This record gives sequence, C-alpha cells and structure tokens, in this order.
Amino acid sequence: GAVVSQHPSRVICKSGTSVKIECRSLDFQATTMFWYRQFPKQSLMLMATSNEGSKATYEQGVEKDKFLINHASLTLSTLTVTSAHPEDSSFYICSARDLTRGGYNSPLHFGNGTRLTVT
Amino acid sequence: RKEVEQDPGPFNVPEGATVAFNCTYSNSASQSFFWYRQDCRKEPKLLMSVYSSGNEDGRFTAQLNRASQYISLLIRDSKLSDSATYLCVVNKDGNDMRFGAGTRLTVKP
Repeated sequence: GAVVSQHPSRVICKSGTSVKIECRSLDFQATTMFWYRQFPKQSLMLMATSNEGSKATYEQGVEKDKFLINHASLTLSTLTVTSAHPEDSSFYICSARDLTRGGYNSPLHFGNGTRLTVT
Repeated sequence: RKEVEQDPGPFNVPEGATVAFNCTYSNSASQSFFWYRQDCRKEPKLLMSVYSSGNEDGRFTAQLNRASQYISLLIRDSKLSDSATYLCVVNKDGNDMRFGAGTRLTVKP
C-alpha cells in the first residue's frame, strides 16, 4: 500500500533556531501533501497544503513566513519551522494520497509524525 | 456548526462490548468517507473506507447514510487493543479533507 515517510521522528532544538521536517511518498507520486499540527489531547489541525511546483496554501492563522513549505519534487515536501519558540513545540504530521488508486476517493496516508520540542 | 462532528466521547466499555460511533457532515456533496484510528502520540492510521452500501472488516462495520449525512462505525467484541481515538474524515471536495475532532475509546478488562 501507499507509504509516507517522515523524518526526523523527534527533534529537540533551542529557541531561535530553525528545524526542517521532511515528508516523502515512498511508492507513489504526490502532487499534493498536507501538513498538520497536533497539540496534546487536541485534534489534528491542518496547517497547509503543499503543492508540487507552486506555492503552498496556508490555513487561516498559520504564518507562512514562519512555517516554510517547499514541495521540491513529486515525492518530497519539507516543512521548515523558522525561529522556533517553545510554543511551537508540537506533533507535526504530514499526509498524502495516491491518486492513482481511486482518485479523490483514495484515503490519506500519514507520515509517522515529528515531535518537536523547543527549549 | 462544524463541518464534521463526532460523538464527543469518551467511551469506556468492557471487553467484549459492542460500541458504535457516529459522525455527521454538513456538505451534502461530500464524496468519500473514512475512519482512522489514532493511538496516543502516534499518527492516524486508516481503519477503513466507508462505502455507500456499507462495508465490514472483521469486527468493524462502517455505514454511510447520505440522506441524513452521517457515517457510523460499529465495533463488535471489543478488545483491549481497540483503545484509541477514532477519527472521522470526510473528503468534502477534491483535496479538501475535513476531520472530526475524534472520539476516544477505552476498552477495559
């Protein structure tokens, strides 16, 4: 089945530094990938939709200059948290769909998530 | 009104019980529907897609009612390992996927 890989799974960084998270579709091509954030005991929140070859679409309230998204190829999207602060500590998850298997009826497949801790 | 709403939960049931979750959606043109489970501190994993005619996978049965705009998930003979948060996901349109807030299930011995 469709596999999405996310790296790193866990990162601890100091306040003010930037962190890059990678999301790869391993056995399919994804023109679109999705980035989410989840705080403890809360639901997934869509941050942005990453589009290969064009700018990402950000959800309301998500700062595009802080959360930089680059969809470099059909199998890779990156999320960079710039100038991270402790309040950015969260669980970041990406997802993608293999549209060759059912088009827009195909399910989302999630990466294993990145737990970011900013000290 | 939220676009996708789920039973608030939490559900605490004994092993062997049958438990059902409902999820309502607001957009009648929604195209596809899914149930995911999410374990604590893990990513969501696809449990099953929901088809118009209803579908079953072992102890799990999913149903769709387009007229009333809801989907359901029935778990029979609950196991301890079924304890998780169950997410309802609705494909509203194209790449527009909407998530319910999730319903937490705890199965107790």
